[in-house]
Amino acid sequence: DAGVIQSPRHEVTEMGQEVTLRCKPISGHNSLFWYRQTMMRGLELLIYFNNNVPIDDSGMPEDRFSAKMPNASFSTLKIQPSEPRDSAVYFCASSLEGPPVDQPQHFGDGTRLSIL
Amino acid sequence: GESVGLHLPTLSVQEGDNSIINCAYSNSASDYFIWYKQESGKGPQFIIDIRSNMDKRQGQRVTVLLNKTVKHLSLQIAATQPGDSAVYFCAENYGDSSYKLIFGSGTRLLVRP
Repeated sequence: DAGVIQSPRHEVTEMGQEVTLRCKPISGHNSLFWYRQTMMRGLELLIYFNNNVPIDDSGMPEDRFSAKMPNASFSTLKIQPSEPRDSAVYFCASSLEGPPVDQPQHFGDGTRLSIL
Repeated sequence: GESVGLHLPTLSVQEGDNSIINCAYSNSASDYFIWYKQESGKGPQFIIDIRSNMDKRQGQRVTVLLNKTVKHLSLQIAATQPGDSAVYFCAENYGDSSYKLIFGSGTRLLVRP
């Protein structure tokens, strides 16, 4: 079965440019998560969608970050304008939430973002 | 994957030995726990999970133990193989926010041939 698919795998761009990261969750999963991983802060939840609706965006750093989920099979995370401190690995994860029980989150292989 | 923090704990074991990776969790109200494995350049990979109504769960070559009294979680890997070399994260979720996983800082496992 296909796992969570993210693109691009690597992105290098200059500060001030718009960056768009893409995610295709596992088919049938109803929840989608965007995380950011850095050496200093570890894995941080940015935003959580359930049934395509943003439920919790309290982890989004600031207004430069936005995320959308137009349908059950696609989500984007956009940074505009980008800054060097946004450099990190961004992961998308999906899961099937209950009832009766929730299932574990499954992660994609991430997008390594470098802002020069 | 990324090293988390400046001082990632490292466990070095001989191939074929058993490994035990420990994790202290923070919230006594957490009711679901997961272990993830992260290899270099890849995302966290689900290994095994356990709910708070259990104290032990076994998978293929892995066992998770949960001690709620001292808020401690451990992952045991039997007959450790070179392919087990990775960073291992435990994660807990708070009962009232089932989606919100809180990740530990990670332990790097090195398997010596």
